[in-house]
Amino acid sequence: DIQMTQSPSTLSASVGDRVTITCRPSQNIYTWLAWYQQKPGKAPRLLIYKASSLESGVPSRFSGSGSGTEFTLTISSLQPDDFATYYCQHYNSYSGTFGQGTKVEIK
Amino acid sequence: QVPLVESGGGVVQPGRSLRLSCAAAGFTFNRYGMHWVRQAPGKGLEWVAVIWYDGSGKYYADSVKGRFTISRDNSKNTVDLQMNSLRVEDTAVYYCAREINGGCMDVWGQGTTVTVS
Repeated sequence: DIQMTQSPSTLSASVGDRVTITCRPSQNIYTWLAWYQQKPGKAPRLLIYKASSLESGVPSRFSGSGSGTEFTLTISSLQPDDFATYYCQHYNSYSGTFGQGTKVEIK
Repeated sequence: QVPLVESGGGVVQPGRSLRLSCAAAGFTFNRYGMHWVRQAPGKGLEWVAVIWYDGSGKYYADSVKGRFTISRDNSKNTVDLQMNSLRVEDTAVYYCAREINGGCMDVWGQGTTVTVS
């Protein structure tokens, strides 16, 4: 089974900061990777799919990159609404493995 | 119209069964695969199961294989999760989600809480 490792687990940042979260699968997953945002008590929200495609309605300050065994989610200028937990996910037609999550906190 | 609404959660004793249901509205249900994802209290997301748009493919996480069964009724726009032999570690909020682009999830329900105790 493919394992998804996110880093860091927690990130403290200020409004306006550039933030980068990394996801490393245990084997090559090409670009079959998504990123989600989740706020407490709410369902996750899809941000990025196919490693770098921005989901409709998601602000352009979010971007994804990478392929194979290293991926990044970047928030170019952190906004107050962005403090949340972020998950990467490897997906295909028969499974979906999530990373352990990265909590973005106010510094 | 809320696209996905889960129901059926509750408190159940270990070893017992529970059936969750997810009702879809506002989109052509029979064109989409559907997933169940869970989140234990204070923990991360865990993928549970997927069923293909026509029901021909069903796949499960190792942690639930042999105990949980996913099914769908495209005439009623519902997807169910039958959970048998429940364990304390199955305690979680269970979300149903719509699949797009080969397996990621673009629409999620609000979740239903299952407590095994």
